[in-house]
Amino acid sequence: EVQLVESGGGLVQPGGSLRLSCAASGFTLSTYAMTWVRQAPGEGLEWVSTISGSGDSGTYYAESVKGRFTISRDNSNNTLYLQMNSLRTEDTAVYSCAKDNREGPPRAFDVWGQGTMVTVSS
Amino acid sequence: DIQMTQSPSSLSASVGDRVTITCRASQGIGDSLAWYQQRPGKVPNLLIYAASTLQSGVPSRFSGRGSGTDFTLTISSLQPEDVATYYCQKYISAPFTFGPGTKVDIK
Repeated sequence: EVQLVESGGGLVQPGGSLRLSCAASGFTLSTYAMTWVRQAPGEGLEWVSTISGSGDSGTYYAESVKGRFTISRDNSNNTLYLQMNSLRTEDTAVYSCAKDNREGPPRAFDVWGQGTMVTVSS
Repeated sequence: DIQMTQSPSSLSASVGDRVTITCRASQGIGDSLAWYQQRPGKVPNLLIYAASTLQSGVPSRFSGRGSGTDFTLTISSLQPEDVATYYCQKYISAPFTFGPGTKVDIK
């Protein structure tokens, strides 16, 4: 069964850092583009960052997180990461990882994790 | 960047009604568009990709049309389990922006 499980969320002060993890099972992480999406309480979906699949490790970021967040993956552990630095109150949201529905360039997301809550507050 | 809009922002319809949601891109995106359903308290579920291709396992009452800048998601016969917020998302190039969502309720 294809599954994604996030961890690493929590309460952090403004200006702080967190690293989110997304453990993948049932498929080879490196083959697919992988994405982080966030959803603030009561709000819509916001695309955060994508890392391309095999043969192309390009990374892409929303303007709101560029220069502060870094997406990466450990293919040996089949785990996706999101390093979040200089956190702001507006980064408060549930962060979910999602798998692309096909190999190749980023497209649509067919498997989603349950998400991990990040709260940025003093 | 290409902006995505959706209309209406919410709608209420009766069971069995035909429901159509519109998504518009500020520039042409070909058919690089996906639709997701997010039921209350649940993770999003991919319904359609490539504007009109039904994801495996999705009921056939869902359909998508369009290309370029204008797209629609249609539910041919609304069911109680279709109560959800529906999002479009473009993926022709980054940023892979979502639309603001359309909330669908049962009248």
